Amino acid sequence: EVRLVESGGDLVQPGGSLRLSCAASGFTFSNYAIHWVRQAAGQGLESVSAVSDNGLLTFYGDSVKGRFTISRDNSKNTVFLQMDRVRMEDMGIYYCVRADYYGPGSLIDFWGQGTLVAVSS
Amino acid sequence: DLVLTQSPLTQPVTLGQPASISCNSSHSLVHKDGKIYLNWFQQRPGQSPRRLIYKVTNRDSGVPDRFSGSGSGTAFSLKISRVEAEDVGVYYCMQGTQWPLTFGGGTKVEIK
Repeated sequence: EVRLVESGGDLVQPGGSLRLSCAASGFTFSNYAIHWVRQAAGQGLESVSAVSDNGLLTFYGDSVKGRFTISRDNSKNTVFLQMDRVRMEDMGIYYCVRADYYGPGSLIDFWGQGTLVAVSS
Repeated sequence: DLVLTQSPLTQPVTLGQPASISCNSSHSLVHKDGKIYLNWFQQRPGQSPRRLIYKVTNRDSGVPDRFSGSGSGTAFSLKISRVEAEDVGVYYCMQGTQWPLTFGGGTKVEIK
């Protein structure tokens, strides 16, 4: 069974930092790219970041570029999202999502259950 | 970024009746490989999104055949032939033809 389990969501102050994790199981993790997609409360979905299967290629949405860093450890089947200089508008549920490969023309399929990031002073 | 516009915002439906959701793209979704990476996701209340349809018309394993996708170029639709109670939720179209991935604003399907 494919599983993606996010963790690390918490209450953070504006300007603070947070590190999200996504632990994968049930598939060959090193064969897949991984995305982070977020959803503000009652709102739609926004692509935040992505990492290639080998970790060498990364993508960031304009709203997080220069503040967030995505990485992965294939020996631990885990993807990380380091969130620095967090803003109010970063608040929401962060989903880890699997993709068949990295780049346009890829297909995302399976989503984790999400982890909640709250931002407040 | 490529913009996807969904309509309607809310779709009240009687059980057993059909429902249709439209998704229009600001630009053609034909990839350089000739395929169209337009997908549909269902998000039931309190759950994470689940993919229903990929590449316009392909239904995912386990998805009931009352769900169907169609479209080409910039206009796409998701149809539910006979709505059941378990279909309540928000439906999103999503494109993977260009990056960043973008999603439609969502259509809420509710029972009248």
